[in-house]
Amino acid sequence: EIVLTQSPGTLSLSPGDRAILSCRASQSVSSYYLAWYQQKPGQAPRLLIYGASSRATGIPDRFSGSGSGTDFTLTISRLEPEDFAVYYCHQYGIRTFGQGTKVEIK
Amino acid sequence: QVQLVQSGAEVKKPGASVKVSCKASGYTFTGYYMHWIRQAPGQGLEWMGWINPNTGDTNYAQKFQGWVTMTRDTSITTAYMELSRLKSDDTAVYYCARVRELGAFDYWGQGTLVTVSS
Repeated sequence: EIVLTQSPGTLSLSPGDRAILSCRASQSVSSYYLAWYQQKPGQAPRLLIYGASSRATGIPDRFSGSGSGTDFTLTISRLEPEDFAVYYCHQYGIRTFGQGTKVEIK
Repeated sequence: QVQLVQSGAEVKKPGASVKVSCKASGYTFTGYYMHWIRQAPGQGLEWMGWINPNTGDTNYAQKFQGWVTMTRDTSITTAYMELSRLKSDDTAVYYCARVRELGAFDYWGQGTLVTVSS
């Protein structure tokens, strides 16, 4: 069973900071099916990135994704107040979500 | 615009069944697989399975095989997820989500809270 491990569990940052979130697979997975989602309290997840690096419709360009094989990264270049949320990676081929990274206000 | 509207919250007793609906609009219902994903309180996301609304074919996560049933009614563009033999740890928010190319869940329902309690 392939597992996705996200790190860190919690990221404490200030508005304007750069956030770097990691998603590591226990075995190599296809980057074509790697996506990132943002979830705010009481809301459904929202698609941010698909195909490891393509932004979904309406997603600001401060969000970017990269990676291949076992290591994937979501970068938020400058945190806006609305970006504080939980972020999940997902790989469709293995139908698995990471456990999430919470980005909180420092 | 694309919308997925789910049925309302449910409270069930252990051992009962629950059926959650997901009404799709704004796109060709039979053109996109529908997935179901759940989230226990304070926990992460757990994939449950999918249904092909065009053919009715399904694929369930191994954990849920034998006790989840996904169906659809194309005449009313609605997908359903039924979970039987409920236990307290089935208490969760259940989401339907449409999948687009490259396996991205681009639209989600608002979620349905199912509470299992005696």
